[in-house]
Amino acid sequence: DAMVIQNPRYQVTQFGKPVTLSCSQTLNHNVMYWYQQKSSQAPKLLFHYYDKDFNNEADTPDNFQSRRPNTSFCFLDIRSPGLGDAAMYLCATSTGGTDTQYFGPGTRLTVL
Amino acid sequence: GEDVEQSLFLSVREGDSSVINCTYTDSSSTYLYWYKQEPGAGLQLLTYIFSNMDMKQDQRLTVLLNKKDKHLSLRIADTQTGDSAIYFCAENKVIFGPGTSLSVIP
Repeated sequence: DAMVIQNPRYQVTQFGKPVTLSCSQTLNHNVMYWYQQKSSQAPKLLFHYYDKDFNNEADTPDNFQSRRPNTSFCFLDIRSPGLGDAAMYLCATSTGGTDTQYFGPGTRLTVL
Repeated sequence: GEDVEQSLFLSVREGDSSVINCTYTDSSSTYLYWYKQEPGAGLQLLTYIFSNMDMKQDQRLTVLLNKKDKHLSLRIADTQTGDSAIYFCAENKVIFGPGTSLSVIP
C-alpha cells in the first residue's frame, strides 16, 4: 500500500505559470519534506514542516512556497517557474523520533 | 561546511560483491543512511546505521562505519542485475551525497 503519494507523477507547465505539486501520506508522520532533484544530482532539501512549523532552507528561492493544511497533506507551490526549475520533486515524511524518511515516487516537472 | 562525497560510478559482475563508499564531514551526525534510486523513481531507504555502531548487516547488505575517518560503506553481496541503480548516502536526512551509479554486468 502506498504510504507517501505524490500527484501528479508528471507535470508540465509553462514558463512563469504557477504550478502546485501535491503530497499526501498515510503514515501520520509529524515531519514532511520537499526535495528538488535535478538530473544526475543529489536531492536538495527545499524545506520541511515539523507539524505546522515551517522550516525553510537558507538557499531555497522565494519562488518556492509550501503549505501544509493538515497532517496528511503538503503542497509545493512554484509561483513563477523558470526553465531551471525543471526537476524531480520528492516528498518525504518522518517521525521526529526515529528520523527514518519515507519517500514518495516523485513528481517530474517540465517547464516549457 | 557540510559535504558528503561518493565515487560516481561502479561496475561489477553479477554474483560479485559491490562496495560503495561515502565520506561525510559532520561528526555530529546521528544517523547515516543508504538510499537506492531506480531510474525515474523516488528514493528507497535501504538501511541506516546509528552513529554509535560500527557495523550493521541486513541480508545481503552490510554497512560499515568508521566514525574516526568519517567513512561509510555499503557492501552488497551476490550483486544481482536488479541492484543496478543509483545509491545515495546521506547524513541526518538532509545532506545527500552525489550518488554512485552501480551497473551490474550479467
